[in-house]
Amino acid sequence: KQEVTQIPAALSVPEGENLVLNCSFTDSAIYNLQWFRQDPGKGLTSLLLIQSSQREQTSGRLNASLDKSSGRSTLYIAASQPGDSATYLCAVKGNSNYQLIWGAGTKLIIKP
Amino acid sequence: DVKVTQSSRYLVKRTGEKVFLECVQDMDHENMFWYRQDPGLGLRLIYFSYDVKMKEKGDIPEGYSVSREKKERFSLILESASTNQTSMYLCASSSPGLAGGDAFTDTQYFGPGTRLTVL
Repeated sequence: KQEVTQIPAALSVPEGENLVLNCSFTDSAIYNLQWFRQDPGKGLTSLLLIQSSQREQTSGRLNASLDKSSGRSTLYIAASQPGDSATYLCAVKGNSNYQLIWGAGTKLIIKP
Repeated sequence: DVKVTQSSRYLVKRTGEKVFLECVQDMDHENMFWYRQDPGLGLRLIYFSYDVKMKEKGDIPEGYSVSREKKERFSLILESASTNQTSMYLCASSSPGLAGGDAFTDTQYFGPGTRLTVL
């Protein structure tokens, strides 16, 4: 059974730093992996979707990588800003199961 | 922009009450989903629907039912609310995705959530 883990559960860094959020999964037979952002009182917003055949995706200051063999994905945020403060979740779609399996998220705080 | 709206942001109900949560999307998406989100557990799928009047159980359907009479609207019903159903409920929608893909292939668009408290 696929399990998705995000460590740490919370992270606080000063503004301007580059940072990496981690997502690990137990079954490497995945169809795609997505990163979402959740702001307090708001729903989730999709940030990046990586297909199983891809190694990375980039959007602005965000870069997501995927290493299926090791069961890991990272979300790199460059030059962090206070507006990046949010909870970041990853979700994996497997080849055999039909639905998304979600991590519990990493709560990120960027200190001005 | 895709817009997914949910009928209430906050809801307080009593044990045993019947509770209706409604979700509406304006992008003509075929697929709609209901999740609950609890601290430390991530999102768990309750039900999803890939077409009008069609529904499929997710991981935790017990105590819930759904209704999809129109394409844009997907309702979650708590038949008899219990305290362990206190949670954040999130609705989402998506397009059918790539040819050969299923309801979970493409990006899902989420509503703002309903925080339900059952006393």
